[in-house]
Amino acid sequence: QQQVKQSPQSLIVQKGGISIINCAYENTAFDYFPWYQQFPGKGPALLIAIRPDVSEKKEGRFTISFNKSAKQFSLHIMDSQPGDSATYFCAASIQGGSEKLVFGKGTKLTVNP
Amino acid sequence: NAGVTQTPKFQVLKTGQSMTLQCAQDMNHEYMSWYRQDPGMGLRLIHYSVGAGITDQGEVPNGYNVSRSTTEDFPLRLLSAAPSQTSVYFCASSYSLSPSLDFGPGTRLTVT
Repeated sequence: QQQVKQSPQSLIVQKGGISIINCAYENTAFDYFPWYQQFPGKGPALLIAIRPDVSEKKEGRFTISFNKSAKQFSLHIMDSQPGDSATYFCAASIQGGSEKLVFGKGTKLTVNP
Repeated sequence: NAGVTQTPKFQVLKTGQSMTLQCAQDMNHEYMSWYRQDPGMGLRLIHYSVGAGITDQGEVPNGYNVSRSTTEDFPLRLLSAAPSQTSVYFCASSYSLSPSLDFGPGTRLTVT
């Protein structure tokens, strides 16, 4: 059973455009929702994270939107740049440590110049 | 700090061979884990450890062994490699009860 469903699998955006990646979950006990960014040949790195007590979190050009009632959250990349080309993973965790972290299957983002 | 380090970076094995993937961290993290990454499958947890002497299975543990004798090191052993174990392996660590993982650079393993 896939606990976190991520879409789309791949995404192509023009430079300056908005990239949107969506994730949905079923388990209402999840209380931490991070996004990881992975460049080719590198390990994933934490990009931004949100807890369900807020509906939006913004860090620079990256924004997480969270809809608790719909059990969905999304990553928005404003003014997308070629340097943003990477694979993005959403994840969710239940009350505690990393052993409870479950990942989506990833979205490969390509930003064309 | 070097963070999370993994060796080797690349490895080719023949079916049936054994090997150990090394992972070390210098951040005094209590929690360490191993993931495998396959195309279209995301990151799947193999084994994890919440402290020295304590290990547990993740989602896909079959064919892999781990041990944690020190806080710093968490090796992953393949006892008899199979082509299905061809993958990219990532070690990750964090402080206890922190959901934020630090990943290593990965080991690309090919089993022929």
